[in-house]
Amino acid sequence: AQSVAQPEDQVNVAEGNPLTVKCTYSVSGNPYLFWYVQYPNRGLQFLLKYITGDNLVKGSYGFEAEFNKSQTSFHLKKPSALVSDSALYFCAVRGPLPYGGATNKLIFGTGTLLAVQP
Amino acid sequence: EAGVAQSPRYKIIEKRQSVAFWCNPISGHATLYWYQQILGQGPKLLIQFQNNGVVDDSQLPKDRFSAERLKGVDSTLKIQPAKLEDSAVYLCASSSVRGSAGNTIYFGEGSWLTVV
Repeated sequence: AQSVAQPEDQVNVAEGNPLTVKCTYSVSGNPYLFWYVQYPNRGLQFLLKYITGDNLVKGSYGFEAEFNKSQTSFHLKKPSALVSDSALYFCAVRGPLPYGGATNKLIFGTGTLLAVQP
Repeated sequence: EAGVAQSPRYKIIEKRQSVAFWCNPISGHATLYWYQQILGQGPKLLIQFQNNGVVDDSQLPKDRFSAERLKGVDSTLKIQPAKLEDSAVYLCASSSVRGSAGNTIYFGEGSWLTVV
């Protein structure tokens, strides 16, 4: 069964410093990996995804993520944090489509709250 | 391009009452999803539609939850009767093609339900 883990409930970083939000996954076959951000009282906004190709994926708002197959990780990064980046971040994984027309759900982690201090 | 539209945004009901949420996906998106997000947890898929057919409803509590997408466009999620543990955000989402697992799923703003 596929799963995703976000080991940190909260990450604190000072504005201007680099940030990393961690994510590890478990899936049979090649993974499809996603990051979403959720601001207070809002829905989920898509940030970036990894399907295939270059292990470093660039996304919205200056975020990027690095796919590491040997460590089964997909950590979210940003070189210089902004106070406006403070939000809840979700990592999600989807396995390849199984045979027989069955579905493969997008499975979310429990989320990591990013707090950027001015 | 308009995003996924949901209504109402907020709803407070008493337990044992009923509630319905509406969703209109991004134009042209054949796949529609309803997710439940309980406070402190990640979203959990309740039901997935492909056009007007149900693809996956394995995690939908069918004794109280129902959903339909009659014309393959907008969808309604109903809860009857509601329980306290149904307090959550109900997120509607859509994506363009079922066949690719790499397709991005786009979410609406959510419908926030409080059951008292």
